Order: sequence, then C-alpha cells, then structure tokens
Amino acid sequence: NAGVMQNPRHLVRRRGQEARLRCSPMKGHSHVYWYRQLPEEGLKFMVYLQKENIIDESGMPKERFSAEFPKEGPSILRIQQVVRGDSAAYFCASSPSQGLTEAFFGQGTRLTVV
Amino acid sequence: EDQVTQSPEALRLQEGESSSLNCSYTVSGLRGLFWYRQDPGKGPEFLFTLYSAGEEKEKERLKATLTKKESFLHITAPKPEDSATYLCAVRDNAGGTSYGKLTFGQGTILTVHP
Repeated sequence: NAGVMQNPRHLVRRRGQEARLRCSPMKGHSHVYWYRQLPEEGLKFMVYLQKENIIDESGMPKERFSAEFPKEGPSILRIQQVVRGDSAAYFCASSPSQGLTEAFFGQGTRLTVV
Repeated sequence: EDQVTQSPEALRLQEGESSSLNCSYTVSGLRGLFWYRQDPGKGPEFLFTLYSAGEEKEKERLKATLTKKESFLHITAPKPEDSATYLCAVRDNAGGTSYGKLTFGQGTILTVHP
C-alpha cells in the first residue's frame, strides 16, 4: 500500500479554482487507475491509464475532469473550476504491466472545496 | 453492468465472537473477486483475490471463500484491531485480459469491542 504515492494528502480549494492530484505508481507498475470516494458512498472507478494512453475514461465526468500519465513523471488528475460536489477522497491504484493481478492503492488525496 | 452488494452494512462483535461478511455479485465473466480492508482516512489495503468458485484463501484470522454468486469473509475470534471497513470488488473480462477496472461494493463497517 505504501508503494503507491499520492500527493498532496489534503487539498483545500475555493470554488472555481483548479485542483491537481498526483499519483506515482509502485515501481515497475505501468497501469494506473483513479477512483473517487464520496462521503457515505463506495469507491467509484473514474479512469484507467497506461503510460501516455487513456484506456478507459468511462467513469469520468464529461466536463472539468481530465487525467494524464506521461512518459516521465506521475499521473495527474486535474479538476478545473471545482465545485462543492467535487469534495471527496480521490484514490489512485496501480498494477503491474503483465497480466491481471492485484491493484494496490495509495493513501488518497482528500479534496475539500470551500 | 457489474453489481456488488455487501451485507450487513455494519457489524458489531465482541472480541472472540466469530462471524461472516457477505458479498453478492453480478458480473459478466468474473476475472477476480477482491477483498480489501480500509481504515479511516487511509487507502484500501489488499487482502485477497479469488478467481474461481470453490477457492478459499486465509490470512491470520480471515478466510475468504467464493461461490458463483457470492463471497464470504469469515472472521475467526476477532480482535479490536480487526475493526475497519471491509470492501469487496469484482473485475470482469471486458476490455481483454489486461484490464483491471474494479467495481466495489459499499463495504461493511466492522467494529470489534474488547
């Protein structure tokens, strides 16, 4: 669990600002998943990325949300013009490049929109 | 669409009082059923993956079993440190063999009193 690094751990943004959440996968992992956990709700899939490719973004809101996983550096989840409803815990998970195995989660970024 | 239902929503046990958590699922082509533990303010911690009906896995006081429609997480002689939210998730065969998107249940909040 500690191998997937997310930062910041806590982020406070005013309505209308941008939020950038970062995720560095475990060493050797090239698959990254972003999930959102709203208060009193379960984890919901947002997007699945491999290096330089978005594989599945079916869980992403159509507007204001975007994600990338560049060749170098962490994966970024970007939320533009945040609203109070975006307040949630955002978790990143990674898995190895070969085959289907367990996904390991980071500690999450808790976004609060004021 | 994959569906995962966990019961009960909350479970209170006395230390040493064994019990089971249930995870019912509907999925087109199961490629893994996952159990995670989540402590408050933390990311999900991987516990088990089960792939086929009849499979069982154990770790300390926990034992996970799988049928074609549900999975059980058995907790034997629990201790207060087992208190956490236990999450169940499924992965289906959509997107090919390299796809790792998980669909989560709402979780069971377990509290073990000394």
